[in-house]
Amino acid sequence: NAGVTQTPKFQVLKTGQSMTLQCAQDMNHNSMYWYRQDPGMGLRLIYYSASEGTTDKGEVPNGYNVSRLNKREFSLRLESAAPSQTSVYFCASKISGMGGEQFFGPGTRLTVL
Amino acid sequence: KNEVEQSPQNLTAQEGEFITINCSYSVGISALHWLQQHPGGGIVSLFMLSSGKKKHGRLIATINIQEKHSSLHITASHPRDSAVYICARHTGNQFYFGTGTSLTVIP
Repeated sequence: NAGVTQTPKFQVLKTGQSMTLQCAQDMNHNSMYWYRQDPGMGLRLIYYSASEGTTDKGEVPNGYNVSRLNKREFSLRLESAAPSQTSVYFCASKISGMGGEQFFGPGTRLTVL
Repeated sequence: KNEVEQSPQNLTAQEGEFITINCSYSVGISALHWLQQHPGGGIVSLFMLSSGKKKHGRLIATINIQEKHSSLHITASHPRDSAVYICARHTGNQFYFGTGTSLTVIP
């Protein structure tokens, strides 16, 4: 099992460029999450998908869109990147419901110039 | 709003010392999670607690639901325990994370 995979690992964008961060899990989990991690801020939820076909905003959704392509894949899109979106992005998944731990991908380090 | 507070922010210990990291929160939870983030950046889940105490090797996690407080203890600390330890409350479908405690264990 690969667990949770993310691509790319690193990316540099210029202001205004767009890109999509990819995430896939092979654990048959229903719930998937996108977080950003900034120094001194802790992980903050951007969007989540409680199950295939549903997505909901988290704490910091502005400037992002998501797609739950199927049960395995959950992508995060930056339509017009801004320097404030420079961060490390983590995807995570868990079995649905109240219980269960989250499994994290290795992260994507994004720099917007 | 985050409402998950950790202390201390930074901690340096000698190898073999007993370590305690604290986490407090202010709203109801489904569960409280402790995670470890290694210097390379990877994040792994250590514990999920809804009551009482759990132990895994040298790590012990406790929670007091009435006081809205959890602690992570590391016994006989070792340099390989050096990492950032993060607590997170699970409420509904979402997780809210503390800012982490950076632990350095010196040989």
